[in-house]
Amino acid sequence: EVVMTQFPATLSVSPGERATLSCTASQSINANLAWYQVRSGQPPRLLIYSKSTRATGIPPRFSGSGSGTDFTLTITSLQSEDFAVYFCQQFDTLPVTFGQGTRLEIK
Amino acid sequence: QVRLQESGPGLVKPSETLSLTCSISGGFIKSSDYYWAWIRQPPRRGLEWIGSISFDGRTYQNWSLKSRFSFSVDTSKNQFSLRLNSVTAADTAVYFCARMIFGVPKAFNWFDSWGQGMLVSVSS
Repeated sequence: EVVMTQFPATLSVSPGERATLSCTASQSINANLAWYQVRSGQPPRLLIYSKSTRATGIPPRFSGSGSGTDFTLTITSLQSEDFAVYFCQQFDTLPVTFGQGTRLEIK
Repeated sequence: QVRLQESGPGLVKPSETLSLTCSISGGFIKSSDYYWAWIRQPPRRGLEWIGSISFDGRTYQNWSLKSRFSFSVDTSKNQFSLRLNSVTAADTAVYFCARMIFGVPKAFNWFDSWGQGMLVSVSS
């Protein structure tokens, strides 16, 4: 199965700044990657699919990029509600697999 | 907006069977655009896709989890269910149900709606 590795495990950033989260696949997954946000006490929320397409209602400060094995989620102008855990997920090959998550915390 | 809600026991004894149900509201399970999925997150670990079922009962499972899981769907109740036989402590996890996009761009894709998740503990 495709192993997804996210780093860093924890990222400390100040509100209003930019956060850059990374996700690496153990083999090429083309553009078949999604990102999710998990706020405390809430279900996962789809942010990005197919590498860079924002899901319905997701603000433009969230953007996805990358290709092949290396992908990035960038969040600009961090708002208080953005401090959460973020997961990547590949759907290029079954079984679909997730990264271990990056916790974005307030610096 | 579709909503999903898991239900079932929060505590199961080792070697027993775990049964969970996901109830769908604000949408219909009968759609060829989706599969209905189960995902779990053991303590201090990442998310793990268990498997998915279509409205007409076709299933795909995560082969790396072996085959202790079974899936069913009840279209009359707009629900789908998961059963796990012979549970052990390793099955302790938060279990989520979710809606999985089917068909495009790949056969199985991302999850666009999730339940709140429920913690299932396996302990005597």
